[in-house]
Amino acid sequence: AQSVTQPDIHITVSEGASLELRCNYSYGATPYLFWYVQSPGQGLQLLLKYFSGDTLVQGIKGFEAEFKRSQSSFNLRKPSVHWSDAAEYFCAVGRGDYKLSFGAGTTVTVRA
Amino acid sequence: DAGVTQSPTHLIKTRGQQVTLRCSPKSGHDTVSWYQQALGQGPQFIFQYYEEEERQRGNFPDRFSGHQFPNYSSELNVNALLLGDSALYLCASSLSRSETQYFGPGTRLLVL
Repeated sequence: AQSVTQPDIHITVSEGASLELRCNYSYGATPYLFWYVQSPGQGLQLLLKYFSGDTLVQGIKGFEAEFKRSQSSFNLRKPSVHWSDAAEYFCAVGRGDYKLSFGAGTTVTVRA
Repeated sequence: DAGVTQSPTHLIKTRGQQVTLRCSPKSGHDTVSWYQQALGQGPQFIFQYYEEEERQRGNFPDRFSGHQFPNYSSELNVNALLLGDSALYLCASSLSRSETQYFGPGTRLLVL
C-alpha cells in the first residue's frame, strides 16, 4: 500500500521569507505526484504535478516542487511568501489507478 | 469555463437519516471521484465513476453508494448516517485516462 507523509503539521513563516513543505511517499515505482492548496472552508486547488521528466516542476502562484527519487520526496517551495499563501497544503500520490492518496496536510501561517 | 460544482454547500442531518450530495464535473470531463475529508485530515478516496459505473472504490462501507448520469454529473448517497460521517465531501473530476483531478468546493455535512 502506498502512503504519504507530511512531517510538518504546522509551519509559521514571515511574509517575504522562503517556504518549504516536505512530502515523503512510500511506493515501489515512481508515482504521480501532486500538491494541492486548501483555503479555509474551500475545496482543493491544484498547485502543480509531476509525472515524469524534469524533476523540478513549476506551478501556479510562484510555487515549485522537486522530485527526488532517492529520498522518495516531493517537497514544495516558494521563494517569497505572501500573506495570501496562508492555507493548508496537501501532498497527494497516485499510482495509475485513478485514485489519489493524500497526506494529512501542513497548515501554513504567514506573519506580517 | 465552469469548474466543478457541488450542491448543497452545507447540510445538517440526524443519525439514521439518508443524504444525497450532487456534483457536476468540469466542462469536458467524463470521470467523477468522491472524497471524504474529516476535520483536520487529508481527503480519503471513496469511489470513482466512469461511464456510469463504479470504476474504483476505497475502504468505505456499502452505506456509501453513488451514481453517474449520462451528462457525467454524479451523486453520492449515504444511508444510515452515523455521527462519524460528519465531514467535508469533495467531488473531483478528470478525463477518463488522466490522473489529474480537479476539485469542487465541497459539501459540509454535519450529522447530529
